[in-house]
Amino acid sequence: DADVTQTPRNRITKTGKRIMLECSQTKGHDRMYWYRQDPGLGLRLIYYSFDVKDINKGEISDGYSVSRQAQAKFSLSLESAIPNQTALYFCATSDRHSYNEQFFGPGTRLTVL
Amino acid sequence: AQTVTQSQPEMSVQEAETVTLSCTYDTSESDYYLFWYKQPPSRQMILVIRQEAYKQQNATENRFSVNFQKAAKSFSLKISDSQLGDAAMYFCAYRNRHSGNTPLVFGKGTRLSVIA
Repeated sequence: DADVTQTPRNRITKTGKRIMLECSQTKGHDRMYWYRQDPGLGLRLIYYSFDVKDINKGEISDGYSVSRQAQAKFSLSLESAIPNQTALYFCATSDRHSYNEQFFGPGTRLTVL
Repeated sequence: AQTVTQSQPEMSVQEAETVTLSCTYDTSESDYYLFWYKQPPSRQMILVIRQEAYKQQNATENRFSVNFQKAAKSFSLKISDSQLGDAAMYFCAYRNRHSGNTPLVFGKGTRLSVIA
């Protein structure tokens, strides 16, 4: 089984809808991240969390919110989706003792019509 | 703030040949990590190689090696004996080592094509 899982893998929704992307990990890592990937822009950080009580905004947090329900779970919500939030979303984890390498989930392709 | 620049949006290489992907970064820190990630068409992000800034020796992983020039803030990736499976997006990334809890900073990526 994959160490970092994301659900759903693909989602098509309409403008104005509320969407939640979920991330779970079995690696026992304390740190979790949400990134967004757009063509030509690389990966940009949305939110990150270093433990259950620690949530931090990234470079592009506007329009998004997150919840760290447990050490192993980190959800990303779009309260009212808009077309320019169409992108590939990645969850990642890291451990303070693992040379700061980040382990990525398989990604969620989100399309907002 | 740190920035990572990949100046080659696209590159191509003949199978079995060698290709070098460029990456430069800007930081005022002296101790940090640098990474190259590969993203094949499956879209999975895969760590290719890492370099600690305090190590002068360039990292190598099989056919992959880096040329780390700390003074020039350059971190290029060399792929030797290129294979069709090397075709992918490649991302350079940076992280401070001692600045607390900062995440990775990524470049915009280089798309590598391998020609049979």
